[in-house]
Amino acid sequence: GAVVSQHPSRVICKSGTSVKIECRSLDFQATTMFWYRQFPKQSLMLMATSNEGSKATYEQGVEKDKFLINHASLTLSTLTVTSAHPEDSSFYICSVPGGQGLKGTQYFGPGTRLLVL
Amino acid sequence: DAKTTQPTSMDCAEGRAANLPCNHSTISGNEYVYWYRQIHSQGPQYIIHGLKNNETNEMASLIITEDRKSSTLILPHATLRDTAVYYCIVRVGGGGADGLTFGKGTHLIIQP
Repeated sequence: GAVVSQHPSRVICKSGTSVKIECRSLDFQATTMFWYRQFPKQSLMLMATSNEGSKATYEQGVEKDKFLINHASLTLSTLTVTSAHPEDSSFYICSVPGGQGLKGTQYFGPGTRLLVL
Repeated sequence: DAKTTQPTSMDCAEGRAANLPCNHSTISGNEYVYWYRQIHSQGPQYIIHGLKNNETNEMASLIITEDRKSSTLILPHATLRDTAVYYCIVRVGGGGADGLTFGKGTHLIIQP
């Protein structure tokens, strides 16, 4: 399956600052990537779909101006949490769809733990 | 995507087979059954998927009932490292353009 990396693995920031999280597909190109977040003791929730060369599509209730997504290349998507607040503290995870023959599967990054003070 | 129902938690002794059930009574003909797991503080990991035939890979086996309304994931020789939350997800197989909808999953605890 695909190898997906995320950077940083964890970040602590002050309230009001912006934080950028990178998601890289290391072994194949991805025109689509997905961003999820997970609050403690809860399941993963899909936030948005990142599309290479076009705008991201956001799930209902996710503020597109707060969670900026850029899919600059076929191997890199970034999520920027703008003006972060303590309630944005969460585990952010990206995924990449499987290639031909495994289209329904997704391969996940290791996650980025964000703590906003 | 069809709704799935899984037990909240299960225990299994190390070295024994872990059998995780999933009900998906509203599954459509073109929907596959996928299993993922999430070890604490890590991203989810794909395990296996199937349409109607039983499937086996190096990680697990997937048994799907003939009417496709339920399935069982089998970890043949569970180890402590298999302790995780296991998610059963039903979705169209070619739906690579769609994100996944995760339920609450089953928290499998492997006991030494």
